Amino acid sequence: EVQLVESGGGLVQPGGSLRLSCAASGFTFDTNVMHWVRQIPGKGLEWISGMTWNSGGLGYADSVRGRFTISRDNVKKSLFLQMDRLRTEDTAVYYCAKGMGVGLVEDALDAWGQGTMVTVSS
Amino acid sequence: DIQLTQSPTSLSSSVGDRVTITCRASQSVATYLNWYQHKTGKAPKLLIFGAVILQSGVPSRFSGSGSGTDFTLSISSLQPDDFATYYCQQTYNTPTFGQGTRLEI
Repeated sequence: EVQLVESGGGLVQPGGSLRLSCAASGFTFDTNVMHWVRQIPGKGLEWISGMTWNSGGLGYADSVRGRFTISRDNVKKSLFLQMDRLRTEDTAVYYCAKGMGVGLVEDALDAWGQGTMVTVSS
Repeated sequence: DIQLTQSPTSLSSSVGDRVTITCRASQSVATYLNWYQHKTGKAPKLLIFGAVILQSGVPSRFSGSGSGTDFTLSISSLQPDDFATYYCQQTYNTPTFGQGTRLEI
């Protein structure tokens, strides 16, 4: 069974940093593209970043580019999101999601974690 | 970025009803259009990918159609478990989601 478990969320002040982790199991982690998606309270889903299996391809939404950094460790079967210069509008539930294929595009997200809450507030 | 507009944004229906949700893209996304179901506090669930392909394990009452800029998700006979929020997503280029359609009893 595919499992994705996010951790690292919490309360942080504006301008601060946080590092999210996603532990994967139940599939061959090092062959799949992985993504981060968030849901701001009361709003819809927003794709924010993705990374291919070999870290050779990555992408970011305009809203986080230059502040967030995605990475992965295929040996530890983990995905990470380093979030710097956080803003109040980054408050959201952050989901880790598995792509069906190998590319950042022309794909779908066929497994998701339960999410971790990030609150940016003073 | 490609914008996706779903309609309606909310919908009230009853068990047994047939419902249709539409998703319109601001430019062609070919058939790189997916549909997800999301319940509060739960992980989103992939229902349809490639516009028309039913994900394994998803009941056959769900179906998708369309290509280019206009897409639909249909549920042939609503069940109590189907009341949730539904999102379309394009992956033709940088992924984006529609704003969601809340399906209520």
